[in-house]
Formats: sequence, C-alpha cells, structure tokens
Amino acid sequence: QVQLQESGPGLVKPSETLSLTCTVSGGSIRSNYWSWIRQSPGKGLEWMGYVYYTGSTNYSPSLRSRLTMSVDTSKNQFSMKLSSVTAADTAVYYCARVYCANGVCQNDIFDIWGQGTMVTVSS
Amino acid sequence: QSVLTQPPSASGTPGQRVTISCSGSSSDIGIDAVNWYQQLPGAAPKLLIYSGDRRPSGVPDRFSGSKSGTSASLAISGLQSEDEADYYCAAWDNSLSGHAVFGGGTKLTVL
Repeated sequence: QVQLQESGPGLVKPSETLSLTCTVSGGSIRSNYWSWIRQSPGKGLEWMGYVYYTGSTNYSPSLRSRLTMSVDTSKNQFSMKLSSVTAADTAVYYCARVYCANGVCQNDIFDIWGQGTMVTVSS
Repeated sequence: QSVLTQPPSASGTPGQRVTISCSGSSSDIGIDAVNWYQQLPGAAPKLLIYSGDRRPSGVPDRFSGSKSGTSASLAISGLQSEDEADYYCAAWDNSLSGHAVFGGGTKLTVL
C-alpha cells in the first residue's frame, strides 16, 4: 500500500525558506495529484496546494506569492518551498495523496496522508 | 478564519446519535460534494466520508454524510468512545481559480 513520509528541517529562521520533501513508497508518483496541508498548533487544517506528477501546480490564494511545489519522478518524491517565513508558518506539515478513481481526480479528497512533520519558525 | 463553518465542539454519550454541521457558500458546498476527515489525538487526519456520502473501505457504516444547499452534516450513530476526535469538513471552492477549503474543525467528546 502507498505510504507517504515527510522530511525536512524542524527549525527554520524567520525570513528564510522552509523546504520539505515527501517520499512516496509502495506506489508510483505518476498519474496522481499530491498536496500539502498544514496545521498550526491547536488550529485547524489549511490546504496549501497541489502538484501533479507532470509538474503543474495550484496554490492557495493566501500562499501563492511565497509557495513553490515540484515533483521528482525519478526519486518518487514531491517537494514544497515556502519563502519569507514568519512565526505564523509554524505548523505540522502533512503531505497527502489526492483521490483519483476511473481517471478522475478530486483535489479536495485526500485519501492517504503522511504522519506529518513539525516545523517551527524561530530565531 | 476558515471558509467553512463548523461548531467548535460537540458531545454525546455512548450509543447516542450525534451530528456535526458544516456551512459554506454557493462557490463551495453549494456546487461541490463535501468530504469529512477524522483526526484522532496525536495522529494525522484520515478520510472518513467523501463525495458527500461515500465511505472508504474500513470506515463503519455508523458514519454518514448528507448535504442540503450550502450546508452539510456528518452523522455518527451508535457513538463509541473511540469516536472521540476532531472532525473536519472540506470542499472545493471554485472561486479564485479553485482551491480546497476546510472547516475549522469540531472536537467531539464522548461523555
């Protein structure tokens, strides 16, 4: 079965760039959309965006100016970079697979999630 | 502030039926099916209900979803202690080139 694992630094300084990678195991990254979702401490879920295995992307309007997502099909990984971070970007970051069935993918249905990785923005 | 509105808390006793509401607008719930996620303490969210009323394999039929207009509901019947968790609704918002939106979450307590 497909599993996702986030990796990256747990501490990032303010104004720097937060970079995370999600490794897909047990299946191919191809023919799917992949999302990043975050959760600030004690808060709800926030969709950040998705990347298709071809590299096409769609980002949350509130993060669009600072967010970049990419895919590395040779490594079965996808990544995100969030620039100019502040304390407000402190959160658990989850990667997730978008549900696809019969060739149709629905970008608000996340059927497989990583365990999440806590990122703290602090000097 | 979340785009979809949920009550912050809900509660029930074992065996009871509980519903959690999710209110949206004409650009999200009004034109898209609602999905529900369950987040147990300390765990990643898990898909509970998708496309309005469909359950992934392994989700008990005690969980069901419904929608009317720009609002949706998650119903849990035969409440069990292991149902104590946070529940989030989600939908696709067709404004601003489209993006997914979540509710603020509802913490369900089993008394």
